[in-house]
Amino acid sequence: DTEVTQTPKHLVMGMTNKKSLKCEQHMGHRAMYWYKQKAKKPPELMFVYSYEKLSINESVPSRFSPECPNSSLLNLHLHALQPEDSALYLCASSQERLAGVNEQFFGPGTRLTVL
Amino acid sequence: DAKTTQPNSMESNEEEPVHLPCNHSTISGTDYIHWYRQLPSQGPEYVIHGLTSNVNNRMASLAIAEDRKSSTLILHRATLRDAAVYYCILRDVMRGGATNKLIFGTGTLLAVQP
Repeated sequence: DTEVTQTPKHLVMGMTNKKSLKCEQHMGHRAMYWYKQKAKKPPELMFVYSYEKLSINESVPSRFSPECPNSSLLNLHLHALQPEDSALYLCASSQERLAGVNEQFFGPGTRLTVL
Repeated sequence: DAKTTQPNSMESNEEEPVHLPCNHSTISGTDYIHWYRQLPSQGPEYVIHGLTSNVNNRMASLAIAEDRKSSTLILHRATLRDAAVYYCILRDVMRGGATNKLIFGTGTLLAVQP
């Protein structure tokens, strides 16, 4: 199983809503990532988890709150978002070798629209 | 991380070879050259990587210049399904681990005509 799944596929939320994005992988990967991708732009890294611990936060606003409850799951909790946060949110996973390629496997993304 | 330069867009005809160039004049000795691609409405997917020697896999070939300042991703027979944005990315694999970030540039948008 070389698949990263993300739910939901699409999400529309108001600025006062609280919602969560979910990501799952069963490849035994111990590194998991959240990226944000605006239309016609490349993906931008938001967060990195290594062995269920947050290892990188790319100065993301606190209205985005990541969580890694176990080695297979990664959540992104959303609260009080702004319309400019509308984007494709991509999850990825990889092995966590100290040296080597550590190819990243990406999910299909969640298309988020904030009204 | 060293930067890469790619053309914004390229066109190809179906069933013809495609050569996607990437310049990386400031590459360091331990930087691997990675290629990912992103098909429409999908997440990126790994294509190939290399260090010094040319590499082949089921998806593509990677030709690396002798001085390593440039490389070319080769799709031997383009299909409509190969229409995507292709990203050339350098990563220092000696740094290792998830904290060795994958930094996407703007990539090359490949259009394939039937």
